[in-house]
Amino acid sequence: QKEVEQNSGPLSVPEGAIASLNCTYSDRGSQSFFWYRQYSGKSPELIMFIYSNGDKEDGRFTAQLNKASQYVSLLIRDSQPSDSATYLCAAGQNFVFGPGTRLSVLP
Amino acid sequence: DGGITQSPKYLFRKEGQNVTLSCEQNLNHDAMYWYRQDPGQGLRLIYYSQIVNDFQKGDIAEGYSVSREKKESFPLTVTSAQKNPTAFYLCASSIFRSGGRGTGNTIYFGEGSWLTVV
Repeated sequence: QKEVEQNSGPLSVPEGAIASLNCTYSDRGSQSFFWYRQYSGKSPELIMFIYSNGDKEDGRFTAQLNKASQYVSLLIRDSQPSDSATYLCAAGQNFVFGPGTRLSVLP
Repeated sequence: DGGITQSPKYLFRKEGQNVTLSCEQNLNHDAMYWYRQDPGQGLRLIYYSQIVNDFQKGDIAEGYSVSREKKESFPLTVTSAQKNPTAFYLCASSIFRSGGRGTGNTIYFGEGSWLTVV
C-alpha cells in the first residue's frame, strides 16, 4: 500500500511567523507532488506542485522536495489568519493523498 | 466558466434508499474521480475513470457504483449496501490519470456534496 503521511496537527503559529508543514511518502517511484489547501466545509484547492529536488517558490509559499529522504514540505511565510486551514499533500502518478495537517494562525 | 459542477450540494438519504450524486466537468479532462471525506479525515478514493465507458475501483468502492457514458459526466450512486454513507463527497478531474513529471497534470475538485442519512 503506497502511503503519504502527515502530522494531523493542529499546528499553531502566530501571525507573521513561518509555518512549516511536512509530508513523507512511501513510493520511491513518485515523481510529482502537490499541496492543497482545504478550508472547513469546502473542497481542496491547489496551492502548488513540485517535481524536482530543491525549492519552488510562489509568493508566500515555498515547496521543498527531497527525494532521497522521501520528504516534501510546504513553508508559508508571513502567515495570516486567513491561512488557517487543513493542508493536504498528494504524491505520485495516482494522486495519493495524505490525511492533512490542520494549521491555525493566531492573530 | 470552466470547472467541475457537483449537485446537489446537500442530500438526505433514508435507510435502504439509493441516491445519486451528479458530477459534470467542462474542462475536457479524460480522468475523473470520486473521493469520500469523513469529518476531520483525509480523502479516500472510491472510484476513478480514465476514459469513457471504463472505470476502476478505488480503496473503498463497496456500496458505491459509477458510470462513465460521457466524457463530461461521472455520476456516483450510493447504494443501500453502503451502511455508513454520511460524509462529504468530492468529485475531481485531471487531464489524464497519471500525474507524471513535467506533464502539468494536476487534479481539480468540485465544490463537494454533503450526504446525510436520516
